Amino acid sequence: EVQLVESGGGLVQPGGSLRLSCGASGFNFSRYDMHWVRQGTGKGLEWVSAIGTAADTYYADSLKGRFTISRENAKNSVYLQMNSLGAGDAALYYCARGTYCNSTRCYVKGLDVWGHGTTVTVSS
Amino acid sequence: QSVLTQPPSASGTPGQRVTISCSGGSSDIGSHYVYWYQQLPGTAPKLLIYRDDQRPSGVPDRFSGSKSGTSASLAISGLRSEDEADYYCAAWDDRLSGPKVFGGGTKLTVL
Repeated sequence: EVQLVESGGGLVQPGGSLRLSCGASGFNFSRYDMHWVRQGTGKGLEWVSAIGTAADTYYADSLKGRFTISRENAKNSVYLQMNSLGAGDAALYYCARGTYCNSTRCYVKGLDVWGHGTTVTVSS
Repeated sequence: QSVLTQPPSASGTPGQRVTISCSGGSSDIGSHYVYWYQQLPGTAPKLLIYRDDQRPSGVPDRFSGSKSGTSASLAISGLRSEDEADYYCAAWDDRLSGPKVFGGGTKLTVL
């Protein structure tokens, strides 16, 4: 079964740090771009970050260099290191699967697999 | 405030056809593919439409997407009670380095 499972969320004080993890199973993880998308309580979806199959990284402009995405293909995992957290970062953070690339081409079909999310709460 | 504009709510009765709009500009919808996601209450989003009008396997053909210029639409025909959900459009650059923006979402109520 294709699956993504996030972990690492929790309560953190303003200015603190947190590292989210996302474990993948059921597919060839190393061949896929991976994304983080967040959703504030009662709010819409917001793209946060992505990492390509070559470990190239991309971030939403609003993050101002506070977040770092990484992947560990040997562990079928993607991570999101979040620093200098503020109230605006409180949200449900989803891990999602993106584009598949093989040796000859890439297949762009949107974010086709999502985890259940992990909740980040920022409060003193 | 989201870059892409969706009506906050929509409604219809079972069997009806409803349409949800998504409006943007030349730098998002006008130059990139549109994707649609369905989020049932208390669950993660689910991909409904990719690349403007393509349905992933398993998505019923009651759902269809279209795009014209800087606007896109999601149509749901033969409305069912289980379609009651939040629907989000997104303008997505194929390149990871390109822009990725979501609409504010539309809550669909089946009356």
